[in-house]
Amino acid sequence: DQQVKQNSPSLSVQEGRISILNCDYTNSMFDYFLWYKKYPAEGPTFLISISSIKDKNEDGRFTVFLNKSAKHLSLHIVPSQPGDSAVYFCAASATGGTSYGKLTFGQGTILTVHP
Amino acid sequence: NAGVTQTPKFRVLKTGQSMTLLCAQDMNHEYMYWYRQDPGMGLRLIHYSVGEGTTAKGEVPDGYNVSRLKKQNFLLGLESAAPSQTSVYFCASRNRQEEETQYFGPGTRLLVL
Repeated sequence: DQQVKQNSPSLSVQEGRISILNCDYTNSMFDYFLWYKKYPAEGPTFLISISSIKDKNEDGRFTVFLNKSAKHLSLHIVPSQPGDSAVYFCAASATGGTSYGKLTFGQGTILTVHP
Repeated sequence: NAGVTQTPKFRVLKTGQSMTLLCAQDMNHEYMYWYRQDPGMGLRLIHYSVGEGTTAKGEVPDGYNVSRLKKQNFLLGLESAAPSQTSVYFCASRNRQEEETQYFGPGTRLLVL
C-alpha cells in the first residue's frame, strides 16, 4: 500500500522553463510534507517543506503547493537549470504523538533539464 | 562538522554472511533512521531510534537488527545476508526540537551474491 505516490517516473524540461513535479498521498494523518533532491551516489538533501496549515511555500526558484482536499502536492522549479537534474523525492510525515519524525517517501521522479 | 557519515561506502557479501553498517552523526541529533532504497520504490524505513539505548521497527525490519549504544552512532546489522537485501542503505538523523527535516548520509551500496 503506497501511501505516497509520484506517478511520473521521469520528466524532461528545457532550461529556463518551468518544471512541475507531482505527488499524491492517501493517509489523512499526514500533515507535513517535504521534497528531497538526490544526485547519483549521494544521499538525499532537503529542498523545501510545507505544513498542512499552509497551501504554498516559496524558497527562491522553488515553490511547493499543497491541495489538502485533493491530497496532492506539487513542486514548481522556475526557471529550471541543468544543475537541477536529479531525482526528486516527495515525503510525508504525521507529526505529533509517537510519530518520531518518521517519513514516508514516494518512488521519486527523475528530472532532466536540457541546456 | 561532517554531518552524517556512513561506512563502508560499498560492500559485496555472499549469501549467509553477516556485516554491520555504521552511521555516525556529529550534530547531537536525538533521532536516527535507517532506510533502504530500491529501484521504483523510493526510500523505505527499516529501523529508527529516538535516543541512546532505544530502537524501534520501521516499515521493512525483517532480516535486520540495530543498536544505538552511543547517541552519535546507529548500527545496522545483517546477521545472514540474502540477495533480497541487495540495496542502497541510507542513514539519517534529526533534531527532536526541529521540524521534520532529516539529514542524510551518502549511502552504503550493498551487493549480496
